[in-house]
Amino acid sequence: DGGITQSPKYLFRKEGQNVTLSCEQNLNHDAMYWYRQDPGQGLRLIYYSQIVNDFQKGDIAEGYSVSREKKESFPLTVTSAQKNPTAFYLCASNRLTGHGYTFGSGTRLTVV
Amino acid sequence: AQKVTQAQTEISVVEKEDVTLDCVYETRDTTYYLFWYKQPPSGELVFLIRRNSFDEQNEISGRYSWNFQKSTSSFNFTITASQVVDSAVYFCALSEAREGAQKLVFGQGTRLTINP
Repeated sequence: DGGITQSPKYLFRKEGQNVTLSCEQNLNHDAMYWYRQDPGQGLRLIYYSQIVNDFQKGDIAEGYSVSREKKESFPLTVTSAQKNPTAFYLCASNRLTGHGYTFGSGTRLTVV
Repeated sequence: AQKVTQAQTEISVVEKEDVTLDCVYETRDTTYYLFWYKQPPSGELVFLIRRNSFDEQNEISGRYSWNFQKSTSSFNFTITASQVVDSAVYFCALSEAREGAQKLVFGQGTRLTINP
């Protein structure tokens, strides 16, 4: 079945370390997105990409970086510059024609 | 700027009661999409509905119904005869309707608890 796979499900990071969250989709979707969710809050957009080798900053891009070398993959790196990285991260994708998103099951990142 | 407000942070009802989740939005766009998503404890967002701003017809899907009123910028969601399995966090969201990637703007979410 087609879908989005995020890994790992849980991730622990020491302060000062960079960490990369994986997002893979086999839906042949053009656009991919990363959202961050904090407790009791809605999702906020970090980065998004419409095509391979192109991506744009969302509302809270500081301290994060992404790449889009393949259509199927959109990894997110949480750098040491991100001051408060503990959160739930959701990856999503859709076609460029206004259809609803498909979301992954998320990665819960905790800084220890 | 676009904004979505879900004023109800938490709602708790007894099973079989009807419950309405409110959603109010702000946008300067004349064409846009509105969405509702369900987030069960597992964390994944489940797509429920997408509504185009040109289509103000209400929609019913089983026990779920949606009331879109452009005049009041509201897109409310009603669950009829609620069940324990409806317990989740529900998000209302808004996006531009244009070619290319559509960024979703989410409300804060409403945590719905259905008690047996």
